[in-house]
Amino acid sequence: AQKITQTQPGMFVQEKEAVTLDCTYDTSDPSYGLFWYKQPSSGEMIFLIYQGSYDQQNATEGRYSLNFQKARKSANLVISASQLGDSAMYFCAMREYRGSNYQLIWGAGTKLIIKP
Amino acid sequence: DAGVTQSPTHLIKTRGQQVTLRCSPKSGHDTVSWYQQALGQGPQFIFQYYEEEERQRGNFPDRFSGHQFPNYSSELNVNALLLGDSALYLCASSWTSGSYNEQFFGPGTRLTVL
Repeated sequence: AQKITQTQPGMFVQEKEAVTLDCTYDTSDPSYGLFWYKQPSSGEMIFLIYQGSYDQQNATEGRYSLNFQKARKSANLVISASQLGDSAMYFCAMREYRGSNYQLIWGAGTKLIIKP
Repeated sequence: DAGVTQSPTHLIKTRGQQVTLRCSPKSGHDTVSWYQQALGQGPQFIFQYYEEEERQRGNFPDRFSGHQFPNYSSELNVNALLLGDSALYLCASSWTSGSYNEQFFGPGTRLTVL
């Protein structure tokens, strides 16, 4: 069963507009965490934002915010005022306890292209 | 403060050969995780090392093995290479006592198997 689902394979957005990237997840672990990473064409994964399952408020990091809807098992990334440099692959990942330790489970990613 | 480094950047091998990839974690980190990312897909967890032992393993065959050294650096070895092993191999380091186990990634090693 798919643990992390990103339904948007690709998105085109006009520069300076806000962007919402979708992520839904499935887990029975009550203590989980959700991450968003950006992967430019260079390949390196860049950490953007984290939301813990017990966090009461939505996480924010500069232009990034996470719209966490726990009952719907949704953790969408919102990028405000998009920039050309935001063009990249974006991955949603879930930290889940498996066996004796935590493991990161990844979605398939969304390719975001910002148009000038 | 150096981040996570990986070597080599690119590698071309032929089927049946063996390969060793290397990773140096971010300063202060004691845990190293390895991921395989095929083209157009999300990363797949291979295994994680802590205190020089494999602590967790994903769904990968025994052809994939690893090692962690006393300085926390790590190696990923792949034997009897298959065409399907062609991928970007990412190393991530973290601090096991960190607040939420945030992982910092290296630039990856792109392996091509011909």
